[in-house]
Amino acid sequence: DTAVSQTPKYLVTQMGNDKSIKCEQNLGHDTMYWYKQDSKKFLKIMFSYNNKELIINETVPNRFSPKSPDKAHLNLHINSLELGDSAVYFCASSPKGGGSPLHFGNGTRLTVT
Amino acid sequence: AQTVTQSQPEMSVQEAETVTLSCTYDTSENNYYLFWYKQPPSRQMILVIRQEAYKQQNATENRFSVNFQKAAKSFSLKISDSQLGDTAMYFCAFMRGSNYKLTFGKGTLLTVNP
Repeated sequence: DTAVSQTPKYLVTQMGNDKSIKCEQNLGHDTMYWYKQDSKKFLKIMFSYNNKELIINETVPNRFSPKSPDKAHLNLHINSLELGDSAVYFCASSPKGGGSPLHFGNGTRLTVT
Repeated sequence: AQTVTQSQPEMSVQEAETVTLSCTYDTSENNYYLFWYKQPPSRQMILVIRQEAYKQQNATENRFSVNFQKAAKSFSLKISDSQLGDTAMYFCAFMRGSNYKLTFGKGTLLTVNP
């Protein structure tokens, strides 16, 4: 199936650990994103890559580092996890051109204990 | 900076009835796009409808339609013949024409009652 897929779906870990979330899209899109949805359901953009180049980098702690090995993949690595990092993280992609709708993955629920 | 405001945190509607969700936005841009996304309990983010600001005609997708009032910066979503499967969080979102950043409102939780 064509889709944006992210793994894992659920991630439970302890404070201080380092973890990664992987994202892949087979839609042929040029742009990929990471969004964070907090406990109040508010969605906020974190990063965006266009053809492996970082184009959006919101005010995010530098413990969060995105990596795009190619335009179909965008991974998110988080160092020294904190309780406040608990959230749902969504990967998304969109075709080239402003105004294109984003296609979202199913999200990764990260719980930091 | 662009802001998107959804003033109704929660709404409910009876099955088969019509409901309208409100959204206002603030921008000085002339070229932009507006979206409604739906997030059911499954957590998926599903595109409901998209509107181009330079088009006066309101977008429609089956039972979903918008009332786009550009001067008032208002973009409401009307759901006709509500179905139980419409129960979800609905997010209004804004994107400038020149970039890729999608800015979301805080969402409206819609419950469709049998």
